[in-house]
Amino acid sequence: GIQVEQSPPDLILQEGANSTLRCNFSDSVNNLQWFHQNPWGQLINLFYIPSGTKQNGRLSATTVATERYSLLYISSSQTTDSGVYFCAVLSGGYNKLIFGAGTRLAVHP
Amino acid sequence: EAGVAQSPRYKIIEKRQSVAFWCNPISGHATLYWYQQILGQGPKLLIQFQNNGVVDDSQLPKDRFSAERLKGVDSTLKIQPAKLEDSAVYLCASSAGTRYEQYFGPGTRLTVT
Repeated sequence: GIQVEQSPPDLILQEGANSTLRCNFSDSVNNLQWFHQNPWGQLINLFYIPSGTKQNGRLSATTVATERYSLLYISSSQTTDSGVYFCAVLSGGYNKLIFGAGTRLAVHP
Repeated sequence: EAGVAQSPRYKIIEKRQSVAFWCNPISGHATLYWYQQILGQGPKLLIQFQNNGVVDDSQLPKDRFSAERLKGVDSTLKIQPAKLEDSAVYLCASSAGTRYEQYFGPGTRLTVT
């Protein structure tokens, strides 16, 4: 089946710093979503981005489907950005959303 | 617009006992999913419904897990009997269709002792 790899696995930032999270996938995809799982376990939708670039406030995402990767940019990080960021893909041959292992982000004041 | 609702939020049971979780999807969403998330891992799909029919249950341990979605709206997931390795967060999600954006509920944290 399709493989989803996220990097880095862990990231520690000072408040105000910028960061880039990466998601690589091994096959063509019909759907790609980025989620933030907060410390209470809630999965929050960040972006639905099978291709192209989107921005929402301090966050933006780019998916280059032909090269099989997606990037999530966090600018001017805040302590509330802490948690786990998941990339999940829905490939052409499957109907299930396959999650990566996540990037654990800690933002310190 | 109301999100995906789940209950209970937390449950502690002993091994070999049974437990049931409930999910109410976003209004109008035809597709409903149950995921299992073990600590430190990403969610893994257990079962997917399209209206009240099962689309994919290939990862559901059918000897102990069962799920139903009567009338194509609410859904219940049951474990009977529970094992220690079933300790996890059980997440329900819904979407307008199979390839549309999925939205997740708050989850039920199950501890089996």
